[in-house]
Amino acid sequence: SYVVIQPPSVSVAPGKTATISCGGDDIGNRVVHWYQQRAGKAPVLVIYSGSERPSGVPERLSGSNSGNTATLTISRVEAGDEADYYCQLWDTTSDHVVFGGGTKLTVL
Amino acid sequence: QVQLVESGGGVVQPGKSLRLSCAASGFAFSSDAIHWVRQAPGKGLEWVAVISYDGTTTYYADSVKGRFSISRDNSKNNVALQMNSLRPEDTAIYYCAREGSYIRMDSWGLGTLVTV
Repeated sequence: SYVVIQPPSVSVAPGKTATISCGGDDIGNRVVHWYQQRAGKAPVLVIYSGSERPSGVPERLSGSNSGNTATLTISRVEAGDEADYYCQLWDTTSDHVVFGGGTKLTVL
Repeated sequence: QVQLVESGGGVVQPGKSLRLSCAASGFAFSSDAIHWVRQAPGKGLEWVAVISYDGTTTYYADSVKGRFSISRDNSKNNVALQMNSLRPEDTAIYYCAREGSYIRMDSWGLGTLVTV
């Protein structure tokens, strides 16, 4: 089945920009969603359909998807952004939901 | 507001069964598909199963196919996950989630812990 790869960890200083990648074969032609999971909490949808933000999600979070990589970008990173982030899509070949392995964002 | 509440978790011996429940409120339950997603201790998210809005279509992860069964009762706004032949590797927090457009999960419950 389809596989997506995320870096296990990303570190960034407060106020800087963090980018989290989600790699997969021709993923740019798939619909990708992103979730934030803070420690001990349930996941929360933060980006859907590649680049759309649910209400309440800060504009500092943005998404893009092209070629073999989908990207979650967090601008002006704050301490509260420290969390695990997961990309997700639906694989029509296997009729399975696919999650990336998750990326732990550490704010230095 | 949308609310999903999981229940039924607990400690069970290998080979035994457990039935999880997901109680929904605050949205048109009979119009939306519902997923189960699990998370083993210290690990990432793993999709488990999905059931369509009317219960006619279900899909399962390969790791649980043939052992787990998802069902729904739209008259009670409830989705169940019947888990049979449980294994130690099924130990996880189990979340239910409402499906939005393009098969995203736009609302999640707080989860229920299953320990095998």
